[in-house]
Amino acid sequence: ETGVTQTPRHLVMGMTNKKSLKCEQHLGHNAMYWYKQSAKKPLELMFVYNFKEQTENNSVPSRFSPECPNSSHLFLHLHTLQPEDSALYLCASSKKTSGVVYEQYFGPGTRLTVT
Amino acid sequence: GQQLNQSPQSMFIQEGEDVSMNCTSSSIFNTWLWYKQDPGEGPVLLIALYKAGELTSNGRLTAQFGITRKDSFLNISASIPSDVGIYFCAGLIQGAQKLVFGQGTRLTINP
Repeated sequence: ETGVTQTPRHLVMGMTNKKSLKCEQHLGHNAMYWYKQSAKKPLELMFVYNFKEQTENNSVPSRFSPECPNSSHLFLHLHTLQPEDSALYLCASSKKTSGVVYEQYFGPGTRLTVT
Repeated sequence: GQQLNQSPQSMFIQEGEDVSMNCTSSSIFNTWLWYKQDPGEGPVLLIALYKAGELTSNGRLTAQFGITRKDSFLNISASIPSDVGIYFCAGLIQGAQKLVFGQGTRLTINP
């Protein structure tokens, strides 16, 4: 248990579906992150939120839409995905004070398959 | 951009052997982190290093923050079957707001 939970753990969706991934952290952190992990590729940072504000969007296609209603919750809304979007989606959280970023703790991930 | 070169990419060892892996970069990092990822799970933080030259242990794991701030190594002593997995190094540059990850070292252990 890392203090970061993700649901669902597995998701299969068609290209026309709309679904959402959820992440919750119980560590009192104020920064949250979405990563994509594809086979044989390094972890790719998608989005960064700091105190509910998006501070980074790493050129992610608009079919991925993040939402951070508070410092403990992070969502990734998915629609009209492509098969190449199939991957493990990881959420992470960290403490962040003015300019200082601390180590990140990851959730277990959501294994997404787009058919 | 910043890049971390992690080696080796994979290791096949016998149970009981010691393991060593490292990460190098052309950039200077303020923090080095080592994670382990089991199949179908998220990376779990093993060791965090904050000062150049720092040597830190966590059970059978030992990691060091290189004196030049451009490298780090992780050693595992007396490997056991549950050490199997992918090990990632990650570096933090203050002000950059994000981790830079190595490509991972896949460890396989023959009993």
